[in-house]
Amino acid sequence: GDSVTQMEGPVTLSEEAFLTINCTYTATGYPSLFWYVQYPGEGLQLLLKATKADDKGSNKGFEATYRKETTSFHLEKGSVQVSDSAVYFCALMKTSYDKVIFGPGTSLSVIP
Amino acid sequence: DGGITQSPKYLFRKEGQNVTLSCEQNLNHDAMYWYRQDPGQGLRLIYYSQIVNDFQKGDIAEGYSVSREKKESFPLTVTSAQKNPTAFYLCASSIVFAGTRDNSPLHFGNGTRLTVT
Repeated sequence: GDSVTQMEGPVTLSEEAFLTINCTYTATGYPSLFWYVQYPGEGLQLLLKATKADDKGSNKGFEATYRKETTSFHLEKGSVQVSDSAVYFCALMKTSYDKVIFGPGTSLSVIP
Repeated sequence: DGGITQSPKYLFRKEGQNVTLSCEQNLNHDAMYWYRQDPGQGLRLIYYSQIVNDFQKGDIAEGYSVSREKKESFPLTVTSAQKNPTAFYLCASSIVFAGTRDNSPLHFGNGTRLTVT
């Protein structure tokens, strides 16, 4: 079946460090791919998305490129801030009628 | 502003009691979802509904029930049959694009933390 795998962490970085959170997926067809972020005590928020191969999603300095050849959607940010501390979820959706498949989440802590 | 409202934020119940969690959206979204999140865990789908008066079981529906009488509302009842009800419950909604490959992201509420003792 369809699945999403991501590094589980926790990941701890110093402020201004480079961030990569790996995400790979298994799915037939052409799913849309998403990154969501969850701050402590809150629900998830959409961070960015990509709907087809080679699309790059970007938002708030975060980027991810839909790589169909490697079935990956790695999240990157050039310089993290303390306020980026959160849990990050990679997810896929094949059609509006299908369930969203979430990865297990990666906890990020950024220290000053 | 449009959004999803979950209430209450914190809920405490005694074991053996049913409890209903509220979820209301004013985004005019077709589909609504309930997820459960345990500490350090990912999201697990409980129930979802893509149209009024219809809903489907997710991966962990046992011990839960839902209704979808209005497009805006999708309440979740945690029954006494749910063995481990203490958790963080998240409601979400999305647009359903019929006949296209467009996919709407999920919009989430801020959750209800249920504690059963």
